[in-house]
Amino acid sequence: EAGVTQFPSHSVIEKGQTVTLRCDPISGHDNLYWYRRVMGKEIKFLLHFVKESKQDESGMPNNRFLAERTGGTYSTLKVQPAELEDSGVYFCASSQAWASNEQFFGPGTRLTVL
Amino acid sequence: AQKVTQAQTEISVVEKEDVTLDCVYETRDTTYYLFWYKQPPSGELVFLIRRNSFDEQNEISGRYSWNFQKSTSSFNFTITASQVVDSAVYFCALSDPLLQGGSEKLVFGKGTKLTVNP
Repeated sequence: EAGVTQFPSHSVIEKGQTVTLRCDPISGHDNLYWYRRVMGKEIKFLLHFVKESKQDESGMPNNRFLAERTGGTYSTLKVQPAELEDSGVYFCASSQAWASNEQFFGPGTRLTVL
Repeated sequence: AQKVTQAQTEISVVEKEDVTLDCVYETRDTTYYLFWYKQPPSGELVFLIRRNSFDEQNEISGRYSWNFQKSTSSFNFTITASQVVDSAVYFCALSDPLLQGGSEKLVFGKGTKLTVNP
């Protein structure tokens, strides 16, 4: 069974540009999460989808970040326009059940904003 | 508010030594879950263990063991006879579904970088 996949693995862009990150969860997993780790800090929650609906987006830093999960399958996270402080590693995770389940993480996308 | 503290930023040991990674958490609720994840140099987060707040039994899995103590709000992780392949960043995390309306989001510590030297 394929794990959580993320694309691209690494993205380098200039301040003001737009970047779109993609996450493909494990097939059949209704829950999809986005997290971010800024250098040297904690991994922090961004948002949670249940199927195509946003269950919790309390961690989204500002309106430059837009997440979608059309059809309840893969998800995209768009940053527009990117700022220097957006640099970090963006992780996606998915889980199968509503409560108390293990979240399977993808390998992350390393975003560098110059 | 929920918080996870991993006071050890970096630890360096020599192969075959035992090493304990500390994790202290804060939560207001009585029902919660604790996790450990490993992040090897390749970058992905690998799930190691999940522990329910009602289960204080220590767990052993091969060379790994976990000590959960509610009295001190700690969930420490010990690697016995460490090996070079254990070198990674280890994250402790907390999930509190009831307080968060069932979101199950994980609250992570800053991680401890473990280096095992040959």
